[in-house]
Amino acid sequence: QSALTQPASVSTSPGQSITIFCTGTTSDIGSYNLVSWYQQHPDKAPKLLIYEVSKRPSGVSTRFSGSKSGNTASLTISGLQAEDEADYYCCSYTVSSTYVVFGGGTKLTVL
Amino acid sequence: QVQLQESGPGLVKPSETLSLTCTVSGASISSYYWSWIRQSPGKGLEWIGNIYYSGSTNYNPSLRSRVTISVDTSQNQFSLKLTSVTAADTALYYCARRGSGAWFESWGQGSPVTVSS
Repeated sequence: QSALTQPASVSTSPGQSITIFCTGTTSDIGSYNLVSWYQQHPDKAPKLLIYEVSKRPSGVSTRFSGSKSGNTASLTISGLQAEDEADYYCCSYTVSSTYVVFGGGTKLTVL
Repeated sequence: QVQLQESGPGLVKPSETLSLTCTVSGASISSYYWSWIRQSPGKGLEWIGNIYYSGSTNYNPSLRSRVTISVDTSQNQFSLKLTSVTAADTALYYCARRGSGAWFESWGQGSPVTVSS
């Protein structure tokens, strides 16, 4: 069982927007603006999409955006494309000695 | 652009030691923190530990008694050793460069390790 909770799967149509939620606790998401999101295509390494809740690394599409409210972080993908079909993981710094905790991942299907 | 490449045996016997090396190119290892992360179907992504080029480390408490991460700045490499492995240690092992905060900005392609006799 992962420390952060994500839906196992979500699906939508091309061109639509979708938001993936990631729920933690006051020990992680709720207390620190150190939430990151990763995209992982099959048989590929995770790729950093978002860090510090809402910042995008250079080269990441502006279609990806992040936010946080209380103990829940969210990743929104707008203008969905077939290439966005992948697994998405959230991650947060935690006050516990495990340093960071990951979500279990959300499989996004673009129908 | 930094690139990371894991290397090491893909098969390790139970109770033996898993050893992996991460070779960094396109950037000096003598800055940033460097991490090992593993991914298994049963447990998802799991942070193993970090090392700074100076050699300071921190480890996941669940693995601390069995893990050692070291750095070789002359080779621009860092390494992972995990002792007394069991089937539960079967996973895809990634090396990564940690950002200035608690995120992982560059990843290797991953090295699959199976623990089996």
